[in-house]
Amino acid sequence: AQTVTQSQPEMSVQEAETVTLSCTYDTSENNYYLFWYKQPPSRQMILVIRQEAYKQQNATENRFSVNFQKAAKSFSLKISDSQLGDTAMYFCAFNTGTASKLTFGTGTRLQVTL
Amino acid sequence: DTGVSQNPRHKITKRGQNVTFRCDPISEHNRLYWYRQTLGQGPEFLTYFQNEAQLEKSRLLSDRFSAERPKGSFSTLEIQRTEQGDSAMYLCASNPETHNSPLHFGNGTRLTVT
Repeated sequence: AQTVTQSQPEMSVQEAETVTLSCTYDTSENNYYLFWYKQPPSRQMILVIRQEAYKQQNATENRFSVNFQKAAKSFSLKISDSQLGDTAMYFCAFNTGTASKLTFGTGTRLQVTL
Repeated sequence: DTGVSQNPRHKITKRGQNVTFRCDPISEHNRLYWYRQTLGQGPEFLTYFQNEAQLEKSRLLSDRFSAERPKGSFSTLEIQRTEQGDSAMYLCASNPETHNSPLHFGNGTRLTVT
């Protein structure tokens, strides 16, 4: 079975600080894609960042970066210079096929405070 | 790009009634997905279409559930004889056929079965 585990149900960070959200996954596949999605309160889910498992270089998107450890099956998200607009549920997900049948974790609720 | 549109936003129904939700994907996207998200959980894959063909259904999709995409554009998800356990947010997403292109999610339809 393919599973995604997010062990931090809630986290809080002060504005302008850095926070890291953890994610581990389990799959027997060798080729897969990993994603972090953001779901703001009462708003639609949007993609934050993605990583192809065959790429060793960690993905970055502006203030968002990942630490991908394939052997450990770990995929953490680092948010630098946190902003109030980063307040949201963050979901880690992965996909092994060509279609986007994602397996999601249970999410981490991030609160950015002044 | 008007985004993925879902209607209605909210639906309250009594147990045993039938309900139907609609999803309008981004017009140039030929793949359309349905996910279900219960409280405190991440989204779970239900089914997906490529054009008008329904290519895969999750075991979560019992025989009370049926999805269609008759002309390869909008899709409907019908739940017959609703049960309280069907209460959830039903999310629709779309993307082009390009390998693992990002999913674009709608705002979802929140179903409450009383």
